[in-house]
Amino acid sequence: RKEVEQDPGPFNVPEGATVAFNCTYSNSASQSFFWYRQDCRKEPKLLMSVYSSGNEDGRFTAQLNRASQYISLLIRDSKLSDSATYLCVVNSNSGYALNFGKGTSLLVTP
Amino acid sequence: GAGVSQTPSNKVTEKGKYVELRCDPISGHTALYWYRQSLGQGPEFLIYFQGTGAADDSGLPNDRFFAVRPEGSVSTLKIQRTERGDSAVYLCASSTGPAYEQFFGPGTRLTVL
Repeated sequence: RKEVEQDPGPFNVPEGATVAFNCTYSNSASQSFFWYRQDCRKEPKLLMSVYSSGNEDGRFTAQLNRASQYISLLIRDSKLSDSATYLCVVNSNSGYALNFGKGTSLLVTP
Repeated sequence: GAGVSQTPSNKVTEKGKYVELRCDPISGHTALYWYRQSLGQGPEFLIYFQGTGAADDSGLPNDRFFAVRPEGSVSTLKIQRTERGDSAVYLCASSTGPAYEQFFGPGTRLTVL
């Protein structure tokens, strides 16, 4: 079983829609959680860290449920420029190596 | 400032050949990581350097893979006797230290024919 599982999608949504991505992780000792964004044929870039209390950055809201080992990302008022692959990331036992999910593909259409 | 750079951006080689992939981290970043991303997958950890030493090479798939960072800055990932299954994007990342944000380079796309 992979350490980080995500629904690969694709998610096709119209501009202005709200879309939610989920992921689960298997290592209950994990301490750090992130969402990365990866555009086609580009490198991953940190979108936001995920904190136990939940956190928001503009149109993006991330939630963490440690009991269920579940992480979510909500995007409100989707823009065409949000089209990308969203990678759920959890740190490994080492604390420095990152474990990535396969990514969820989002396409926002006009 | 300059980000992480990787060369070459693309490398096509034949099965059995030797390749070297180079990573130039952000200046001052002591931690350096190599990941490999196969098509349709997320990046997978290969090796972590803190300074000049490989602190963790547990992700290297086998002994055909080796990496160095002799002066604590530039790193080279070396693959011997390449196989078709080695085809992937090899990503390098650096950070100010372990557990800090990792900044990724654009990757080297390796194709083994």
